[in-house]
This record gives sequence, structure tokens and C-alpha cells, in this order.
Amino acid sequence: GAVVSQHPSWVICKSGTSVKIECRSLDFQATTMFWYRQFPKQSLMLMATSNEGSKATYEQGVEKDKFLINHASLTLSTLTVTSAHPEDSSFYICSARTPGLGNQPQHFGDGTRLSIL
Amino acid sequence: TQLLEQSPQFLSIQEGENLTVYCNSSSVFSSLQWYRQEPGEGPVLLVTVVTGGEVKKLKRLTFQFGDARKDSSLHITAAQPGDTGLYLCAGAGVYQGGKLIFGQGTELSVKP
Repeated sequence: GAVVSQHPSWVICKSGTSVKIECRSLDFQATTMFWYRQFPKQSLMLMATSNEGSKATYEQGVEKDKFLINHASLTLSTLTVTSAHPEDSSFYICSARTPGLGNQPQHFGDGTRLSIL
Repeated sequence: TQLLEQSPQFLSIQEGENLTVYCNSSSVFSSLQWYRQEPGEGPVLLVTVVTGGEVKKLKRLTFQFGDARKDSSLHITAAQPGDTGLYLCAGAGVYQGGKLIFGQGTELSVKP
């Protein structure tokens, strides 16, 4: 159980393109999803918390106009990298928290490798 | 700001050796999770520890949560090449709305 699907797994596109990444919880409803960025050989860096039906909460230093998050349903959150540039190239990972009270773990998608030429 | 210091960051050992990874903080966590990540994939949850002093075992892996819930360790016995990967500890703050604080990660390489 607790499967999170992320799509696409790999994107290569030209500078200036906007790229949308989808994150779906396949077998549970997730009121909260999280978006991370990861550089090679490094840990995950939280970008924003996505809340179903309300605005996302962004971490300090993350441009909300650059990284648009939409969480329109209990099973889908999307991250759009607008007007992407080479410095936006990275591994983006989403996670969803299983419902319930207490210490529910986060389950991660398989990530999206974004390469901007 | 809560921080989670993970060490060592890199570890290269021979098959059959034992190893321990540590995660330490000055803050109390409501729970702590350990993940393993392989290149090009997302982290996979290994275990969640919740109670101070808790010990959980997963085959050759032993996880411990400190009595004060500020630190945790992962011990691997008789490491195998299949254990190679990035190990991440992540703590859930008491009032963080489910956000996780990640350690820096430990890149483990087990050579045959």
C-alpha cells in the first residue's frame, strides 16, 4: 500500500519552457503533499507543502511564481516550473503523507529528472 | 530552526563488515524515519520510530531512537553489496504539520 506515482520520470527541454510534474497518491487520499529538490549525492531540500484546496506553503528562498503548485484533488498535486532555465535542472521528488492521526510517514514518488538545455 | 546532523556522510566498506549511521539533533522529534534511496529513484521508507528508547529490527538492520527523542542510529550487521545506497534520516517536528527535517544523508558503498 501507500503508493505514490510521479510523472514524468525524465524531462529534457529548452530554456524558457514551462514544465509540469504530476504527483499522484494511488491508493490513499492525501490532504498534504510535499515537493522536494535534490542535487546529486545530497539530501532532499523541501521546496513547498501542498495543501488540498488551499494555497501551497513555500519554504524560505523558494520563488512561488517560479514553482507553481496546484493541489486540486485529494490524490493529485502538480508542480509547474515556469520559464525553466539551466539552473533549474535537478531531481524533483514529491511525497504524500498517509492519512490518520499521529506519526504517519511520508511516501515518496520515484522523482523527475529535469534537464534544461 | 530544527537541524538533524547525520554522520558519516560517506562510508565505503567491505562486504561482511558492520557499520553504524548516526542522526543527532538538539531538538525533540515526535517521530523519526529512515529511508534508503537508490540513484534515480525516490526514497523508500525503511522504518518509523516513535517512542523514546525504541529499538526496531529489519533483518540485518537495527534502528534505535534515543531516550529523549533527539537522536537515532542505524546499525547494519554483515553488510552486503545490496545494501549500497543513500540512507536518509528524517525527523518529524512536534509542531511542523507533518514536515520532515532531513539529515544530510549517508552514501554507503559496500564492496564485494
